[in-house]
Amino acid sequence: KAGVTQTPRYLIKTRGQQVTLSCSPISGHRSVSWYQQTPGQGLQFLFEYFSETQRNKGNFPGRFSGRQFSNSRSEMNVSTLELGDSALYLCASSFQLNTEAFFGQGTRLTVV
Amino acid sequence: QKEVEQNSGPLSVPEGAIASLNCTYSDRGSQSFFWYRQYSGKSPELIMSIYSNGDKEDGRFTAQLNKASQYVSLLIRDSQPSDSATYLCAVIVSGSARQLTFGSGTQLTVLP
Repeated sequence: KAGVTQTPRYLIKTRGQQVTLSCSPISGHRSVSWYQQTPGQGLQFLFEYFSETQRNKGNFPGRFSGRQFSNSRSEMNVSTLELGDSALYLCASSFQLNTEAFFGQGTRLTVV
Repeated sequence: QKEVEQNSGPLSVPEGAIASLNCTYSDRGSQSFFWYRQYSGKSPELIMSIYSNGDKEDGRFTAQLNKASQYVSLLIRDSQPSDSATYLCAVIVSGSARQLTFGSGTQLTVLP
């Protein structure tokens, strides 16, 4: 059974640009959550999607957005990138809301 | 007060010893608790989940939950150098904004 797949694995962007990250959950999983991990802040919750609806959102500015498609694949978008957005972005999938979450390999975003 | 607190360590134990990792949480209504292991440069890997008071054993790992005292712990028996990693405690907090909330992690080093 394939795990959670995130693309791309690495990304370098310039300040002010926007970026889209992709996540394909484990087959049969309907919930996808996104996290930002930085050395200083640890794992911070961004948002969670279930059945194409955002069910929960963390304390991040509106520049961070996401969506989920009918096949449960999810994308997150960050607009007007700032240097502080440099981080490891992790996607996790769950069979249902609030159950065991399994992480993808992450996307390492560097903003220069 | 942080919702999920862990001793950041680092914690060092000799090979073959028992490593004990602790976590406290502030939301008394929390029902689901997880331990993740994260190797340097990798994504978190789920190693244990526990939902009821008491102990849950899986191989060399034992998770212990005490809801009255609001703590959850992870014991690693016969520690191996390959267990050296950061261990993250995660709790699904209750209320209208149920989400998986992580502690800052405890860095464990098992010395050969």
